[in-house]
Amino acid sequence: GDSVTQMEGPVTLSEEAFLTINCTYTATGYPSLFWYVQYPGEGLQLLLKATKADDKGSNKGFEATYRKETTSFHLEKGSVQVSDSAVYFCALSDPGGGGADGLTFGKGTHLIIQP
Amino acid sequence: KAGVTQTPRYLIKTRGQQVTLSCSPISGHRSVSWYQQTPGQGLQFLFEYFSETQRNKGNFPGRFSGRQFSNSRSEMNVSTLELGDSALYLCASSLVTAGSRTQYFGPGTRLLVL
Repeated sequence: GDSVTQMEGPVTLSEEAFLTINCTYTATGYPSLFWYVQYPGEGLQLLLKATKADDKGSNKGFEATYRKETTSFHLEKGSVQVSDSAVYFCALSDPGGGGADGLTFGKGTHLIIQP
Repeated sequence: KAGVTQTPRYLIKTRGQQVTLSCSPISGHRSVSWYQQTPGQGLQFLFEYFSETQRNKGNFPGRFSGRQFSNSRSEMNVSTLELGDSALYLCASSLVTAGSRTQYFGPGTRLLVL
């Protein structure tokens, strides 16, 4: 079945550092890929998405490129802020894969930004 | 546009009881999906409803059920609660189109089973 693998962390960085959170996936169809962010005590917020190979999603300084050849969708940000501290989830939607039509999530990466 | 709303936000129940959670989707969204989030298992898909019909179901026992009303609002029911049902239950709504669809999540209902 479909799966998403991401580093779990915690990942601790200093403010203004460069961020990369790796995400790789396995899917039988042609999935759409997403990054969601969860702040403490809250639900999931959509951060960015990409629906086909070579698409780049971007939002609030975060970027991720859909790489079909490496089955990856790594999240990057050039200069992180304390307010970026949260848990980040990589997810895929693969309705053509024959499985349940829900999102498949990675385990989440806990990001801590120190001032 | 108002986002996805879920009620109640917090709930405490005892083993053996049943519970009903409610979700109101974004206006115009006819698909509602439910997910369970626990520290051990992470985020897992429960089921999806579209136009009052269950379209897809994840790998959960029959104690977990749901329904959708004509106004697209959805409820999720868990019967005979077990300690392991303690979790954050998230609802997501989406537009269903021919292409890709994006799910937007509510704040969740945190259920504690004692």
